[in-house]
Amino acid sequence: DGGITQSPKYLFRKEGQNVTLSCEQNLNHDAMYWYRQDPGQGLRLIYYSQIVNDFQKGDIAEGYSVSREKKESFPLTVTSAQKNPTAFYLCASSIEVAKNIQYFGAGTRLSVL
Amino acid sequence: RKEVEQDPGPFNVPEGATVAFNCTYSNSASQSFFWYRQDCRKEPKLLMSVYSSGNEDGRFTAQLNRASQYISLLIRDSKLSDSATYLCVVTYTNAGKSTFGDGTTLTVKP
Repeated sequence: DGGITQSPKYLFRKEGQNVTLSCEQNLNHDAMYWYRQDPGQGLRLIYYSQIVNDFQKGDIAEGYSVSREKKESFPLTVTSAQKNPTAFYLCASSIEVAKNIQYFGAGTRLSVL
Repeated sequence: RKEVEQDPGPFNVPEGATVAFNCTYSNSASQSFFWYRQDCRKEPKLLMSVYSSGNEDGRFTAQLNRASQYISLLIRDSKLSDSATYLCVVTYTNAGKSTFGDGTTLTVKP
């Protein structure tokens, strides 16, 4: 089945720890995105990538890092510099940036211990 | 002012009612528009794209008004299963990204 897979579904972070959220897609899409959603709010863009080995900061990139070494994979690292990381993290992909429909993974819920 | 604004609601309507949501956007260079549906604690899923001429999919009708810079979603004959949060999405090709509204929550009651 084609789609986007995010793992883990739930993640707990200790203070001062970096954690990495996985996002894999087999849709052959060029563009991939990471969003953060806080309760009762919309999606805010963290980073996006238009093509392999390229990525751009979104609106709230501070405290996060990404890589795009393979077309299928776009992992997000929540660093210790992100002081308020508790949120629902959503990964998405589209055929190309900004022109096409975005398809979402099921998300990762990150909480701080 | 946010780039994309929606009335957060909640909208509480009885089954069978007709309900309409609006979404305004501030950037006149916006290119593409979509409505997504998000169920509680789930990921957003595309409901429908919004075209300049307006488009309909069963009980759902989407409209775009470029002059006034808003899009709308009309749901006719509401079902219990329509209860969800509806997100409008505006895409700016020049910026290379999309902006999501904060969503409008709909609850359909028996």
